[in-house]
Amino acid sequence: DTGVSQDPRHKITKRGQNVTFRCDPISEHNRLYWYRQTLGQGPEFLTYFQNEAQLEKSRLLSDRFSAERPKGSFSTLEIQRTEQGDSAMYLCASSSREKLFFGSGTQLSVL
Amino acid sequence: GENVEQHPSTLSVQEGDSAVIKCTYSDSASNYFPWYKQELGKRPQLIIDIRSNVGEKKDQRIAVTLNKTAKHFSLHITETQPEDSAVYFCAAPRLGGGADGLTFGKGTHLIIQP
Repeated sequence: DTGVSQDPRHKITKRGQNVTFRCDPISEHNRLYWYRQTLGQGPEFLTYFQNEAQLEKSRLLSDRFSAERPKGSFSTLEIQRTEQGDSAMYLCASSSREKLFFGSGTQLSVL
Repeated sequence: GENVEQHPSTLSVQEGDSAVIKCTYSDSASNYFPWYKQELGKRPQLIIDIRSNVGEKKDQRIAVTLNKTAKHFSLHITETQPEDSAVYFCAAPRLGGGADGLTFGKGTHLIIQP
């Protein structure tokens, strides 16, 4: 499968715990995006990378959230001290120009 | 940044009829307008897109029209089938050019009645 892959597909955690998600983009794509989607809403932009550089972070991304893309390949999104409001689908997408291709997402449930 | 409004939020049509979903955008510099389809529990998938230098684009039963003056664009699905049931999202570039990512509408839940 040469599409965008995300791991894990589902994550259940207790409030206050840290979680980390991984995204592997389409190999020839230099841009990688993280979005968050809650029920009944469209994807909301969180942050994006061009190669290994993080170019922008949304104001939605509190200081408990951190993203990395070492060597410009896969990316990780970490949430520290999770809160119930963090429960959502976290989607990763990659692109070489405007067309975004999404992964299947990581569904996070914070109990 | 871009602001995208989408309506209706829910659309129910009889199988075989046409469906139209409309979106408006705020940034006149935006030049790329995609539509995504998301089935329950699955990833959003790009189904059609249009650039600002054309007014209409068709791909089999789906088409997108763009009115740059009014800053709105629409998705048209003809001869609807049960597999068209899904949530559809319109989008526009966050910062005009497109490479900085997309801003999405809130989605339209399309229901195809048998």
